[in-house]
Amino acid sequence: AQSVTQPDIHITVSEGASLELRCNYSYGATPYLFWYVQSPGQGLQLLLKYFSGDTLVQGIKGFEAEFKRSQSSFNLRKPSVHWSDAAEDFCAVGAQVRRSNSGYALNFGKGTSLLVTP
Amino acid sequence: KAGVTQTPRYLIKTRGQQVTLSCSPISGHRSVSWYQQTPGQGLQFLFEYFSETQRNKGNFPGRFSGRQFSNSRSEMNVSTLELGDSALYLCASSFTTGPSTEAFFGQGTRLTVV
Repeated sequence: AQSVTQPDIHITVSEGASLELRCNYSYGATPYLFWYVQSPGQGLQLLLKYFSGDTLVQGIKGFEAEFKRSQSSFNLRKPSVHWSDAAEDFCAVGAQVRRSNSGYALNFGKGTSLLVTP
Repeated sequence: KAGVTQTPRYLIKTRGQQVTLSCSPISGHRSVSWYQQTPGQGLQFLFEYFSETQRNKGNFPGRFSGRQFSNSRSEMNVSTLELGDSALYLCASSFTTGPSTEAFFGQGTRLTVV
């Protein structure tokens, strides 16, 4: 079954410290991977995406992620966290919808809540 | 370019009632998807519409339905509301459809069922 696991429910980092949020996926074929961020009371904003090619992808707001097929991981990183990064981050895979021959949807992990301390 | 617009932002309904939520996609986008977000279940796919046709449906009961109009605007309807339907309903639009399609999300409609 296609699934996404985010092992860390909450992460607390100090402002200026580095950040790594973990994401593991289970998918038979080459996955289409995404990281989205959700600020309180808001919708989701795309941080970055991986489809193919270079396994290190750059996104907005200084975020990057590395695709590691051997580990089935797509971890999100940032060298120096800012207070405005406090939000909930979701990893997702573009996956085939069950009982659908041609339909796809985003299959999300449960999210990691990021708290930034002064 | 205007983003995805969802109306209303907040709704309070009583058990047994029905509700209709609206989503206006980004201009030029033909695909609209709906997701339900709850603290317990996280983000779950409801359905996707492309060019007025429902392409995919998630694992939700028939009380959840939707449609898409010729201008790509979409509505979703929930009939016979239950307390468990309380959630943030997110609409996402994209230019086309498929696993690699970048989806742009609205701010959501917060539905509370009492």
